Amino acid sequence: DAKTTQPNSMESNEEEPVHLPCNHSTISGTDYIHWYRQLPSQGPEYVIHGLTSNVNNRMASLAIAEDRKSSTLILHRATLRDAAVYYCILRELLTSGTYKYIFGTGTRLKVLA
Amino acid sequence: DVKVTQSSRYLVKRTGEKVFLECVQDMDHENMFWYRQDPGLGLRLIYFSYDVKMKEKGDIPEGYSVSREKKERFSLILESASTNQTSMYLCASSSLGGLAGVNEQYFGPGTRLTVT
Repeated sequence: DAKTTQPNSMESNEEEPVHLPCNHSTISGTDYIHWYRQLPSQGPEYVIHGLTSNVNNRMASLAIAEDRKSSTLILHRATLRDAAVYYCILRELLTSGTYKYIFGTGTRLKVLA
Repeated sequence: DVKVTQSSRYLVKRTGEKVFLECVQDMDHENMFWYRQDPGLGLRLIYFSYDVKMKEKGDIPEGYSVSREKKERFSLILESASTNQTSMYLCASSSLGGLAGVNEQYFGPGTRLTVT
C-alpha cells in the first residue's frame, strides 16, 4: 500500500495563506490524492481531490508535484473555523474495481487570531 | 442533506462482550466503510463493503467482523470485545463510481467505544 506522510502540526495566523504539505513517494499511477479535514467532535469531511493537475474549489487549492510524489493543500485565507486536522489520503484502485482510502496521520492546524 | 448515522455516540462494554455498532446511510451509496481512529495513528480501515452481502478486509480486520444485509446498513461486530479495541469508530459511505476520482466519502459522527 502507498503511504502518506504529513507534519504533525502547523500554525497559521488568521487571514494568512496556509500551505499544508504531504509526501506520497510510493504513489501509483492510478491513485488519486484526496484531502479531508476533521473538525473537533465530527467525522472527516471532503475538501478537494486531484490526479495530476492542480485543482481549485471554493474551499481550497491543491498543488500536485510533477512527479506526483508530493502535494500541497492551500488555504488562501485561514479563518478560525479552519482549525482542524487535515488528512492527505490516497485513493487506491483495487482489483475488485472498487476503491480503498489510505489515510495518513494528519496535520493538526491551529489558527491564531 | 446527505446523512450517515451511527447508533450510539458513546458506548461502554465489558471485556468479552459481543458488541454491535450500526451505521445507516440515506444516500443509496454502494460503498460503506468502517474505520477506527486512535491518537497518533490516524484513521485505519477495518472493513468495507461495495455491495449487499459483499465485504473486503481493510488494514486491521482482526477481532472484527461485518454484516451488510441491506444496502443502507453496515454493521461492525466485535465478537469478544477486548480493552485494545477501545477507540473511536467511524463509519463512511460513498457512491460506486461516477466522475473519476471523486467518490467522496461521507462520514458519520463516530462512536466512542470504551471496553473495560
